[in-house]
Amino acid sequence: GAVVSQHPSWVICKSGTSVKIECRSLDFQATTMFWYRQFPKQSLMLMATSNEGSKATYEQGVEKDKFLINHASLTLSTLTVTSAHPEDSSFYICSARDLGGGSSSYNEQFFGPGTRLTVL
Amino acid sequence: GQNIDQPTEMTATEGAIVQINCTYQTSGFNGLFWYQQHAGEAPTFLSYNVLDGLEEKGRFSSFLSRSKGYSYLLLKELQMKDSASYLCAVLDSNYQLIWGAGTKLIIKP
Repeated sequence: GAVVSQHPSWVICKSGTSVKIECRSLDFQATTMFWYRQFPKQSLMLMATSNEGSKATYEQGVEKDKFLINHASLTLSTLTVTSAHPEDSSFYICSARDLGGGSSSYNEQFFGPGTRLTVL
Repeated sequence: GQNIDQPTEMTATEGAIVQINCTYQTSGFNGLFWYQQHAGEAPTFLSYNVLDGLEEKGRFSSFLSRSKGYSYLLLKELQMKDSASYLCAVLDSNYQLIWGAGTKLIIKP
């Protein structure tokens, strides 16, 4: 099946620093990847849709200058949290859609394992 | 606006059957997903329905009625490992997933 990896799994950083999270589709090409944020006991919140070779589409209320997204290849998207603050502490999850056939008939999104960010 | 409703929390007994309901109002419909999410982990795919009716997959079944904007996830022969949150999500006309808040399922021995 389609596999999506994320790195790092968890990160602790000081307030004011920047953190980069990588999302990779390991065995398929993903022209579209999605970045979600999930606070404790809440559902997933879509932050942005990342399109290979073009600018990301951000959801309302998500600061594009703070959450930088780069989707430079068909298998890699990165999310950089710039000048992180304690309120940015959350569980960040990426997902990817395989448009190459097979399970894509379900329009299924494959999720990475998530990255837990803690900003001190 | 777009809205997905599901119960916040449910409790069931090991070995029993539980049904988790989901109602939705979205701009367009391209299918409904159920995901399972254990605490601290990413969601894992359980089922996808795009046509009316029941889809059975082992101990889990999912039902959809598009005319009623309604789906349910049925879990049989409950096991302790089924304790998790169950997320209902609808793919709207823009092929964007609209997520419910999730139902926390607690299994008691």
